Amino acid sequence: EAGVTQFPSHSVIEKGQTVTLRCDPISGHDNLYWYRRVMGKEIKFLLHFVKESKQDESGMPNNRFLAERTGGTYSTLKVQPAELEDSGVYFCASSSGVTYNSPLHFGNGTRLTVT
Amino acid sequence: LAKTTQPISMDSYEGQEVNITCSHNNIATNDYITWYQQFPSQGPRFIIQGYKTKVTNEVASLFIPADRKSSTLSLPRVSLSDTAVYYCLVGIRRVSGGYNKLIFGAGTRLAVHP
Repeated sequence: EAGVTQFPSHSVIEKGQTVTLRCDPISGHDNLYWYRRVMGKEIKFLLHFVKESKQDESGMPNNRFLAERTGGTYSTLKVQPAELEDSGVYFCASSSGVTYNSPLHFGNGTRLTVT
Repeated sequence: LAKTTQPISMDSYEGQEVNITCSHNNIATNDYITWYQQFPSQGPRFIIQGYKTKVTNEVASLFIPADRKSSTLSLPRVSLSDTAVYYCLVGIRRVSGGYNKLIFGAGTRLAVHP
C-alpha cells in the first residue's frame, strides 16, 4: 500500500508570506495527525483529525495556523502569515484507528524555511 | 501527561545486541508503550509496542516490567543500517474515545560502528 505522502518536501518562503502544506494519508485511515519539529527541539503534536473533524487541536501554536481535512481524505496545513519561528519540519501521520493503539504511519515531512 | 526519559546517545558495534531503556514513571493504567525509529530526512517509523511483559516481532523485543515504570527496547545483532534515533513514547488513551496521542521525547541517537 502507498504510504503517507507529503507535499512539498521543501519550501522556502519569506516572512509574511503564506504557505500551504499537504498530506495524503494512507487510504482508509480515518485518523490524521500533524506534528512538527522546530530547530533543535522535540517533535511536537499539533492536531488530530478523525475523518473531517478536528478531534484535538491543542498543539496548534496560534491562529496563524489553519488545518483542514475536507471530505476526510487529504489534509492541508496553512501558515498565514509565516514567521521566522515557524521554520522546521512538519510531519503528517495517519492511523487506521481500528484499535486505540493502532500504530501511526508518518510521512517524510515538509521542511519549511522562513527567511 | 506521562513523560519519558531515555539516554541521549548510545554507541554500539555491528553484530552486538543493543538495549535502550526508557523510564516513564507517570504512566497511567490505560497507557501503552511504543517505540519509533527515525532516519535523517525521514519520518518516524513504528518499531514495536506493548502494554506489559514481553513483546517480540521480527525486528525487536520490548521488555516491560510489572510496574510499567520503564521499558527496554532490545535490538538483536545490530548492523550499520540501524544507526538512527529511537523514540520511546507513551501512547495516551483518550478518555473521550478510542484514539491515541503520542508525546515525543528527545530520543536516543544510536550509532553503530563497523
